Amino acid sequence: DTAVSQTPKYLVTQMGNDKSIKCEQNLGHDTMYWYKQDSKKFLKIMFSYNNKELIINETVPNRFSPKSPDKAHLNLHINSLELGDSAVYFCASSQEIYVETQYFGPGTRLLVL
Amino acid sequence: ILNVEQSPQSLHVQEGDSTNFTCSFPSSNFYALHWYRWETAKSPEALFVMTLNGDEKKKGRISATLNTKEGYSYLYIKGSQPEDSATYLCAFSSNAGNMLTFGGGTRLMVKP
Repeated sequence: DTAVSQTPKYLVTQMGNDKSIKCEQNLGHDTMYWYKQDSKKFLKIMFSYNNKELIINETVPNRFSPKSPDKAHLNLHINSLELGDSAVYFCASSQEIYVETQYFGPGTRLLVL
Repeated sequence: ILNVEQSPQSLHVQEGDSTNFTCSFPSSNFYALHWYRWETAKSPEALFVMTLNGDEKKKGRISATLNTKEGYSYLYIKGSQPEDSATYLCAFSSNAGNMLTFGGGTRLMVKP
């Protein structure tokens, strides 16, 4: 069983579209995260979500919004996609925020044309 | 902005060599230091999470040490094998609630 899964694995879309990436974890963890791997291959945190508390990296544009229907899911919605949004997006989860091991999903490669 | 720096950026070693890399982070308000192993086309895989000054962790041939007072952590690999080839990432968190900041990684290539 996959611990942290993301769908889709690849997403190709036009500029201006709205899209969502889904993330599910079956580890029973309390905290989930979204990361973006930028063009220089750095991993940068976008959001963390813990017990209904959302912590946002202030550098993330408000076109990006996480939505958590329940503890096992944290989906990423992106409105009005821009060329610069093209990247690999990783979801992760951990039992407690920041002090315990994070388990990463396989990543979603987004290409905006 | 928190600076987390890793050195070297890349490293080529022969099979059987032992090697080590460095992660430097701000020494004030330390909370946690993570090490991850990231193979190409896969997702990062956790190695260690360290929270106490002087912590030493070991997993097989890989070990790590932590010095929070001077702001560095070392990752050691004993007797490198080709399957150790990957990018090794460290990530730092300062005080509860702060974001995890990743370093740029050290890319290790082990030649058979």
